[in-house]
Amino acid sequence: KQEVTQIPAALSVPEGENLVLNCSFTDSAIYNLQWFRQDPGKGLTSLLLIQSSQREQTSGRLNASLDKSSGRSTLYIAASQPGDSATYLCAVFQWGTGFQKLVFGTGTRLLVSP
Amino acid sequence: DTAVSQTPKYLVTQMGNDKSIKCEQNLGHDTMYWYKQDSKKFLKIMFSYNNKELIINETVPNRFSPKSPDKAHLNLHINSLELGDSAVYFCASTPPGRPGNEQFFGPGTRLTVL
Repeated sequence: KQEVTQIPAALSVPEGENLVLNCSFTDSAIYNLQWFRQDPGKGLTSLLLIQSSQREQTSGRLNASLDKSSGRSTLYIAASQPGDSATYLCAVFQWGTGFQKLVFGTGTRLLVSP
Repeated sequence: DTAVSQTPKYLVTQMGNDKSIKCEQNLGHDTMYWYKQDSKKFLKIMFSYNNKELIINETVPNRFSPKSPDKAHLNLHINSLELGDSAVYFCASTPPGRPGNEQFFGPGTRLTVL
């Protein structure tokens, strides 16, 4: 059974810091990994999707890496801003005969103070 | 706007009632999902429908019944509501083609059972 864990559970930093959020998964048989952002009381916004054959993806100040063999992904946020405050979720996609699903991590709640 | 939409956004009801949540996507996707986010913010898949056929039912009580009248809609009907059903329910969809395409989420429906 796939289990996805995120560390830290919560993070509070001053504006301008570079951050690393960690995601680990127990079953390396994944198809891809997706990072999401969730603002309080809102839905999920997809940030980055990394295919299992890729090592990293970049979008603006965000960079996500994937090491499938060790079951780890990191989300790097450069020059953090108060608007980055949200909960960040990683999710691994698995599929097989008759099923396909996204298994979510436990989330990291980020607060960036001005 | 092209999006995944859900109605209602908030639903407050008494134990024992039957309620439905509607989901629609106009993105041309043919796989749709229902997820439940509990009070600890943990997201877990409930159902997946591909071209109106159920392909996942992750040990969800049979009080929950998904209904897909066409591939753009996936509604969730819940019978005999219980206190533990209180959660945020998210609908999502995926483009056709390769498995593991990016999932697009609706804004969520916050269900409160009193």
